[in-house]
Amino acid sequence: KAGVTQTPRYLIKTRGQQVTLSCSPISGHRSVSWYQQTPGQGLQFLFEYFSETQRNKGNFPGRFSGRQFSNSRSEMNVSTLELGDSALYLCASSPSTGGFTDTQYFGPGTRLTVL
Amino acid sequence: AQSVAQPEDQVNVAEGNPLTVKCTYSVSGNPYLFWYVQYPNRGLQFLLKYITGDNLVKGSYGFEAEFNKSQTSFHLKKPSALVSDSALYFCAVRDRYDYKLSFGAGTTVTVRA
Repeated sequence: KAGVTQTPRYLIKTRGQQVTLSCSPISGHRSVSWYQQTPGQGLQFLFEYFSETQRNKGNFPGRFSGRQFSNSRSEMNVSTLELGDSALYLCASSPSTGGFTDTQYFGPGTRLTVL
Repeated sequence: AQSVAQPEDQVNVAEGNPLTVKCTYSVSGNPYLFWYVQYPNRGLQFLLKYITGDNLVKGSYGFEAEFNKSQTSFHLKKPSALVSDSALYFCAVRDRYDYKLSFGAGTTVTVRA
């Protein structure tokens, strides 16, 4: 099976702009989670979608939003970009059971740089 | 609230020597514990997980981890380290009240030839 794919891999934006990142999960996986990774804060949970519904949300401002489509592909959007949003954004998918014991499989990430 | 601590920022070992990366956790109820590895400019790769049962869990690339409930630890081990094991290692925990994974700060492992 193909792994989790994320596009684009690299992105450069300026402050105030908005950005949309895309994630295609492993075939058959219905749960998609998003994480932000920075040197200072480490890996932080953004949100998780299961069957097109947001099931969990991390402690991020409303500028960060996401959605999931019927084919389980997911997008996250960041509006009004700030310098502090520069990070590696990781998407992870889990099998269709969506349970607590599921393993999350990660994509390669999108490196966002805000200038 | 669930949390993970990785007390060592860096671990340095010689190739062929045993490798241990430490992890302690805090959760309400029974923990679900995971180890991931990250190579430069890559995403996280799953190594192994503990859900229930045998306290010694075997995973990918010769890694194993020992779950110790009394010490709330889940240390990652490899009997004989390789130079190619040099990477950033993350421990993560989940409890049954919160689906998200909570990660430790990570431990950079350097294996010298």
